[in-house]
This record gives sequence, C-alpha cells and structure tokens, in this order.
Amino acid sequence: DTGVSQDPRHKITKRGQNVTFRCDPISEHNRLYWYRQTLGQGPEFLTYFQNEAQLEKSRLLSDRFSAERPKGSFSTLEIQRTEQGDSAMYLCASSLGDGRAIDTQYFGPGTRLTVL
Amino acid sequence: AQSVSQHNHHVILSEAASLELGCNYSYGGTVNLFWYVQYPGQHLQLLLKYFSGDPLVKGIKGFEAEFIKSKFSFNLRKPSVQWSDTAEYFCAVMQSSGNTPLVFGKGTRLSVIA
Repeated sequence: DTGVSQDPRHKITKRGQNVTFRCDPISEHNRLYWYRQTLGQGPEFLTYFQNEAQLEKSRLLSDRFSAERPKGSFSTLEIQRTEQGDSAMYLCASSLGDGRAIDTQYFGPGTRLTVL
Repeated sequence: AQSVSQHNHHVILSEAASLELGCNYSYGGTVNLFWYVQYPGQHLQLLLKYFSGDPLVKGIKGFEAEFIKSKFSFNLRKPSVQWSDTAEYFCAVMQSSGNTPLVFGKGTRLSVIA
C-alpha cells in the first residue's frame, strides 16, 4: 500500500497521560498536514509541514500539542496531559508540495483517540 | 476567514434517485474546491476537484459538480445513485493563492436504500 499510513489506528488513554501518533506520508510528498475530526464535524486543520519546516499552526493547537517532522519524511503528533475534549479522530494528509500551483491532499485512515 | 456550509446533514434516497448535495463557501478571493467521500470504515478519498476552466467537473463513480462563482456554490450531483454510494460527503475549499490547508464543511451523510 503506497498511501498515507497512520499508527496506531486506535488509542485509548486515561486523562492526564501523554500520547504520540505517527504519520507516514506518500513517498516524495513534501507537504504533510494534520487535521482533527470530531463527531458530526468535518476535519479541522491543526498544522502542516513543508519538508521538515512547520509552516502554520491553528489556534486549535494548544500548548499541549506538538508536532514534528524531523527528517522531512514521517511526522509525529504528541498530546501532553490529555483531556477528554481531545477525544477525536486525528487525520494526516500529504501532498506533493513541489511548487505546482495546485496540490491535492491525500488522507490517511486516521488515529482514533479516546480519552477516559 | 473562510467557511464552508453544507446544507443537508443527512439525505436518504432510494436507489436510482438523483442526488444533489449543496455546498456554499465564503471567501472573496479565488478558490480551489474539492469534494471528498468517506465510505463506512474507510478513509477520506478525493471524489473530484475544481481548480480553473470548465466549471462543470466530473469525478469518479459518475459524480460531477458545478462551480457557480456568482453563488459561491459547488454542488455535487449524480443522476442515479447506487446503494454503494452510501457514505459521508465533505465539501472543502482552499485558497488558490497557495497550497493552504483545506477548510471543510460539516459533511452530509447519504444513505441509499434499496
């Protein structure tokens, strides 16, 4: 499978614990995006990377959230001191980002986080 | 700030019925428009996209969408739905000034009954 992959697919944690999710983009895709989707809503943007540089962070991304893409390939999203309101599906998407005028984002299967 | 409105939360149709899902966006500049579909248990997949040119775009599985700039709309259509079209459909907009993040609508759940 050469699509976007995410790990784990499901995570159940207790409030106050830290969690980390991983995203592997499509090979040679320079841009990587993180979105969050809650029940009954569409995906909401969290942050994105051009290669290893984090270009933009949404105001949804509180100080407890941090994302990295150290070598411009896979990315991790860490949530510290989880709260019940963090329960959601965390989606990763990637796109070519090669300077073309238009880019299409391809999504992974998501990581479903449940905070008890 | 951009926003996307999808008028129908849940649509129920019989097989062979025609489908039209509404999508309106608010943004004064030039935009790129997308429809994504999420089948039960699967990830978001691109259905079709509009960047420029012919405002009537055709996507996979017989879907099409029409961009009407004056109405800020990008409605999704299919002349005859199948049971396998049961899914959630999301409209999304991106500023054409750069590869900015997508802004999604809340989605429309389509249930097709036999």
